[in-house]
Amino acid sequence: AQKVTQAQTEISVVEKEDVTLDCVYETRDTTYYLFWYKQPPSGELVFLIRRNSFDEQNEISGRYSWNFQKSTSSFNFTITASQVVDSAVYFCALRGTQKLVFGQGTRLTINP
Amino acid sequence: GAGVSQTPSNKVTEKGKYVELRCDPISGHTALYWYRQSLGQGPEFLIYFQGTGAADDSGLPNDRFFAVRPEGSVSTLKIQRTERGDSAVYLCASRPGLAGTGELFFGEGSRLTVL
Repeated sequence: AQKVTQAQTEISVVEKEDVTLDCVYETRDTTYYLFWYKQPPSGELVFLIRRNSFDEQNEISGRYSWNFQKSTSSFNFTITASQVVDSAVYFCALRGTQKLVFGQGTRLTINP
Repeated sequence: GAGVSQTPSNKVTEKGKYVELRCDPISGHTALYWYRQSLGQGPEFLIYFQGTGAADDSGLPNDRFFAVRPEGSVSTLKIQRTERGDSAVYLCASRPGLAGTGELFFGEGSRLTVL
């Protein structure tokens, strides 16, 4: 069975602070894909990043960075110098064969 | 169209009624998914189509839920004898090709309220 756990239900920080969203996953598949999606108040899920299980290289995209550690089954997401527009619910997700399984999400609030 | 389109965006119905929710995926996307998202929860998988056939319907909660994709493009999620617990946002997503690497592109969802 596949499972994604996002232990942080809500996080609130002041603008310009760095914030890390945790994601831990479980799967028996040897090949799998990990994702992060953002869900702003409008409701639409916006794709942020995909990593496959063979590529543990960390990635940085502007203020966003991702730390994939297979040894701890974690795929954490860090926002540097947070902005109010980063406020949203963030979902970590896992796909083995075809079905994408989501975590419960972390509601991030960036206060001005 | 440019993105995944879902209609209606909002549906209010009475308990016991029949409801259809429509999804128009991105042109050329062969894989289509339905998810259900309750308030404060992550999206919950319902069913996945590859072409016209349901490749995985393990997430459908019971036999009141059914989905079709007769021509391999538009899909309809059908809910019979609706119950208050069916109230949620129903999300549709599509993905190109048969390869399992691509991300899913989501629509804005259909919010269903059962009174």
